[in-house]
Amino acid sequence: DSGVTQTPKHLITATGQRVTLRCSPRSGDLSVYWYQQSLDQGLQFLIQYYNGEERAKGNILERFSAQQFPDLHSELNLSSLELGDSALYFCASSVPGQGGGYTFGSGTRLTVV
Amino acid sequence: AQSVTQLDSHVSVSEGTPVLLRCNYSSSYSPSLFWYVQHPNKGLQLLLKYTSAATLVKGINGFEAEFKKSETSFHLTKPSAHMSDAAEYFCVVSAGPNSGNTPLVFGKGTRLSVIA
Repeated sequence: DSGVTQTPKHLITATGQRVTLRCSPRSGDLSVYWYQQSLDQGLQFLIQYYNGEERAKGNILERFSAQQFPDLHSELNLSSLELGDSALYFCASSVPGQGGGYTFGSGTRLTVV
Repeated sequence: AQSVTQLDSHVSVSEGTPVLLRCNYSSSYSPSLFWYVQHPNKGLQLLLKYTSAATLVKGINGFEAEFKKSETSFHLTKPSAHMSDAAEYFCVVSAGPNSGNTPLVFGKGTRLSVIA
């Protein structure tokens, strides 16, 4: 157990639907990152939150959104799902400062049918 | 922008022989570099990290990597491969100078196969 918890582990849904992925960071970590892993794109950074505020944005589609709550857990919302959104979605949390470690959750596998 | 290039998409070695996975980086800052491993249907596990301390970094499971600024390289090595080392390996750079508070940029990965 890495200390970063992602739920659910697996999700199957139909095109056009909306889903929410949840991430609880490691205790004490203020930053949460979301990544998408697909066969054709590899591991792509989507978005980072730090202590409730959006800190950095990567290749996140407009149909996707995220937020970080006061208890520091984060949710990634994916809407109007397409077949191409099928992927493994990872959450990571980190400790700031030089040498800070990044810890990844075990991921949510999303299948859009 | 920071980037990493993993020079081999697939490496195959025999059990008990050395492993070399190659990675070159590009960074405007003094980089923080990492190697992560992903076993089939599993999450990402940190093998080792370089953050401007010793240039030779030792990680878990006998892996180590050497930071060479003149060559902009951060190759991963292991003296003797084990069957359990078969996995996907990612070379990673921190996107900014403040390691631990900026996103990570991943290479495309190298699949390591170990032959008995």
